[in-house]
Amino acid sequence: EAQVTQNPRYLITVTGKKLTVTCSQNMNHEYMSWYRQDPGLGLRQIYYSMNVEVTDKGDVPEGYKVSRKEKRNFPLILESPSPNQTSLYFCASKRQGVSGEQFFGPGTRLTVL
Amino acid sequence: DAKTTQPPSMDCAEGRAANLPCNHSTISGNEYVYWYRQIHSQGPQYIIHGLKNNETNEMASLIITEDRKSSTLILPHATLRDTAVYYCIVRVGVKTSYDKVIFGPGTSLSVIP
Repeated sequence: EAQVTQNPRYLITVTGKKLTVTCSQNMNHEYMSWYRQDPGLGLRQIYYSMNVEVTDKGDVPEGYKVSRKEKRNFPLILESPSPNQTSLYFCASKRQGVSGEQFFGPGTRLTVL
Repeated sequence: DAKTTQPPSMDCAEGRAANLPCNHSTISGNEYVYWYRQIHSQGPQYIIHGLKNNETNEMASLIITEDRKSSTLILPHATLRDTAVYYCIVRVGVKTSYDKVIFGPGTSLSVIP
């Protein structure tokens, strides 16, 4: 089954404790992206990657890092989480090209105390 | 970057057509209009996209005005399971090396029995 998976689905952590949210897709998609969703603000793009070893900032990259060492994986790293990073996070992937749908993962609900 | 404007909420009677409008007056000639929906904090789900012509698939129809400054998503026979937030987005950038998607607040559609 074609899908995007994220782990963990739920996480409660404390300020400053480094964490990684994993994202994996099995569709051989070149493009992957991370979004965060907050009430009243819609979905905002954090980082995206056009292919292996190619990443770029989205609208709200501060406080986040990403890496793309393999085509299927695109982890989101919070080196020193803060309470303002409490949010619902989504990973997405799509085939590269002019048009095409993005496939979204199920989401990771992160709470930073 | 082209941005979109949608009504914050709409109601629709079950079994009737739901018509969701979207304004994108600054859209460029080579930018696509995409529609996604999100059911209660699940990952967004692709519905349909188009450039100039009207489009139809098994889920919905997309009507784009001739000047491309607005569009309407039509769910022909809305069911309770169509209750969701619907996002109209415009794909920013046309180079294959640049892909950025902007999600706004969307329209919260409530299908009423």
